[in-house]
Amino acid sequence: SQQGEEDPQALSIQEGENATMNCSYKTSINNLQWYRQNSGRGLVHLILIRSNEREKHSGRLRVTLDTSKKSSSLLITASRAADTASYFCATDEGGTALIFGKGTTLSVSS
Amino acid sequence: SAVISQKPSRDICQRGTSLTIQCQVDSQVTMMFWYRQQPGQSLTLIATANQGSEATYESGFVIDKFPISRPNLTFSTLTVSNMSPEDSSIYLCSVAIQEDYEQYFGPGTRLTVT
Repeated sequence: SQQGEEDPQALSIQEGENATMNCSYKTSINNLQWYRQNSGRGLVHLILIRSNEREKHSGRLRVTLDTSKKSSSLLITASRAADTASYFCATDEGGTALIFGKGTTLSVSS
Repeated sequence: SAVISQKPSRDICQRGTSLTIQCQVDSQVTMMFWYRQQPGQSLTLIATANQGSEATYESGFVIDKFPISRPNLTFSTLTVSNMSPEDSSIYLCSVAIQEDYEQYFGPGTRLTVT
C-alpha cells in the first residue's frame, strides 16, 4: 500500500534557486524520512523527522512536518546541478518498515 | 550510519531461473528489510527479514517466490525464484539499528530477466 504522496511529481529549476517538495500521508506515524535516489541507484538517507518535531535542518535541507495536516515538506536551498535526483518521503506504521511515496523528480540545470 | 553492501550489483537472468541476492552490514542491526523498485516506480516492501525465524511477508509477496534467510544480525539473502520478465526490478535491502531510527539502504541489485 502507498502511504505518502509527493507533490509535484516533477520539478525543473535553475541552479541557485530553491526547490520545495511536499509529501502527504494517510495514517498516524512515528517518524517520516526523506531520501534521495540518483539515476536508479541506492537510496541516500537525507533526514528523519519525528512526529513530535515540527522542523529540522541539515545543511541546505529544511524539513517541516505538520501532523494535523498529515503533510511534510522538503526545501533544498541554493540548488546545485548535483541535486538532480528523485526524492522520496517514507513513513513508518508503528516503527517498522517504511511505506514510500511515488517521489518527486528534481532537475537542476546550470 | 551503517555501511551496507549487496551482491551482485546487477545481473541478467533467463526466465525460469533463480537468483540469490546477498546483503551484508558492517554492524549488528535489529531490523532488516527487502524492497523492490520496479522500473520508474517507487519502492515496495517485500518482507521483513527476521533473525532466526521466518521472514514476515507483505501482501502480494510469498515465501515460495521470494525466500529470505537471515542467519545472523549482519547478513541476509533474498532469492527471486522461477523468474519472469515481470521480476525485472531493483532489489534493495535496508537496515535500522532499532525501531523508530533512521533506515539505511544498500546500493541495490539491478535484475533484468529475459
